[in-house]
Amino acid sequence: DTGVSQDPRHKITKRGQNVTFRCDPISEHNRLYWYRQTLGQGPEFLTYFQNEAQLEKSRLLSDRFSAERPKGSFSTLEIQRTEQGDSAMYLCASTQGANTGELFFGEGSRLTVL
Amino acid sequence: RKEVEQDPGPFNVPEGATVAFNCTYSNSASQSFFWYRQDCRKEPKLLMSVYSSGNEDGRFTAQLNRASQYISLLIRDSKLSDSATYLCVVKGDHTGGFKTIFGAGTRLFVKA
Repeated sequence: DTGVSQDPRHKITKRGQNVTFRCDPISEHNRLYWYRQTLGQGPEFLTYFQNEAQLEKSRLLSDRFSAERPKGSFSTLEIQRTEQGDSAMYLCASTQGANTGELFFGEGSRLTVL
Repeated sequence: RKEVEQDPGPFNVPEGATVAFNCTYSNSASQSFFWYRQDCRKEPKLLMSVYSSGNEDGRFTAQLNRASQYISLLIRDSKLSDSATYLCVVKGDHTGGFKTIFGAGTRLFVKA
């Protein structure tokens, strides 16, 4: 399968623990996006990378969230000191080329914070 | 004000009906516009891009009005399989970047 893959698909953690999600984009795609989605809402923009550079981070994102894409390929999203409000689906998407390029999403990583 | 706002749903329509979704965006520097479809418990997938001249893909027609910062999607002859959430998407800003913002989505139920 050459699509976007995310790991783990499901994560249950206790409040206060740290969690990390991984995203492997489509191999030739240079831009990678992270979104958070809760029930009944659209995907909320978190951050995006062009190659290894993080170009923008949502102002709504607290300092507990950090993302990296060290070699311009896979990316990780870490949430420190998780809170119950962090429970959501975390979606990764990748794209290539012009501004009109389609975003291809992974199936997401579902986080439940107890 | 949200960057992308959509009609509140849900829309409940019979098969064969025509349904229209509206969307407004706040950033006049936005450059590209799209409609995505999201099925229940699935990831979003591109339905169609939206161009200033308007574009059509089978039963689906998208329109963009840059002056009013308004985007629409028209679905004709609705099918049961059209039941999904439709997400309005806006990309780009005055920096020339590629930030991509999704609306909250409008849920459509097509019934037999």
